[in-house]
Amino acid sequence: AQSVTQLGSHVSVSEGALVLLRCNYSSSVPPYLFWYVQYPNHGLQLLLKYTSAATLVKGINGFEAEFKKSETSFHLTKPSAHMSDAAEYFCAVSEPGGNEKLTFGTGTRLTIIP
Amino acid sequence: DSGVTQTPKHLITATGQRVTLRCSPRSGDLSVYWYQQSLDQGLQFLIQYYNGEERAKGNILERFSAQQFPDLHSELNLSSLELGDSALYFCASSVQHRGMLVGELFFGEGSRLTVL
Repeated sequence: AQSVTQLGSHVSVSEGALVLLRCNYSSSVPPYLFWYVQYPNHGLQLLLKYTSAATLVKGINGFEAEFKKSETSFHLTKPSAHMSDAAEYFCAVSEPGGNEKLTFGTGTRLTIIP
Repeated sequence: DSGVTQTPKHLITATGQRVTLRCSPRSGDLSVYWYQQSLDQGLQFLIQYYNGEERAKGNILERFSAQQFPDLHSELNLSSLELGDSALYFCASSVQHRGMLVGELFFGEGSRLTVL
């Protein structure tokens, strides 16, 4: 069964600083990987996804993530944090070709310091 | 706006009661997923329906049930409610090709259930 581990339930960065949110996956087959963002009192919104094409994936709002098979990682980055990036971020995995659900990590709450 | 509609947005009820949460998927999406989000359990997959049929089951309690109707909307029924059932319940829909997930899930805004 697939799973993801998000290191750090809370991350704080200064406005303008690099954002790095970590995600490691476990899957018996090459996975599909996703990052979702959840703003307070809202549903989850897709930031980006990896579906076995390019290993560096660009998403919305300046975020990107790199799939590294050797490290079983899919870390999310943004070069310069903005106040509006404050939210909770979830990494998720699914098995391609399967009809199963996404399995989510426990989430990382990102706080931006002015 | 994801295109997924959930009602009600908020619901307060008492222990032992039964509630029904409703979800309308995005136009054209055949697959509906239900997730429960609570502080201690995180985002837990409950159940998936595809074109009216149950496709996958997760950590769904026996007191909970769901169905997907011919018009593709779905309902999640929660009965004999306990304090621990208080959570945010999300519905999501997706495009599937021949029953297989090909892309991302689109989430509704959730239904917040409070059991007193």
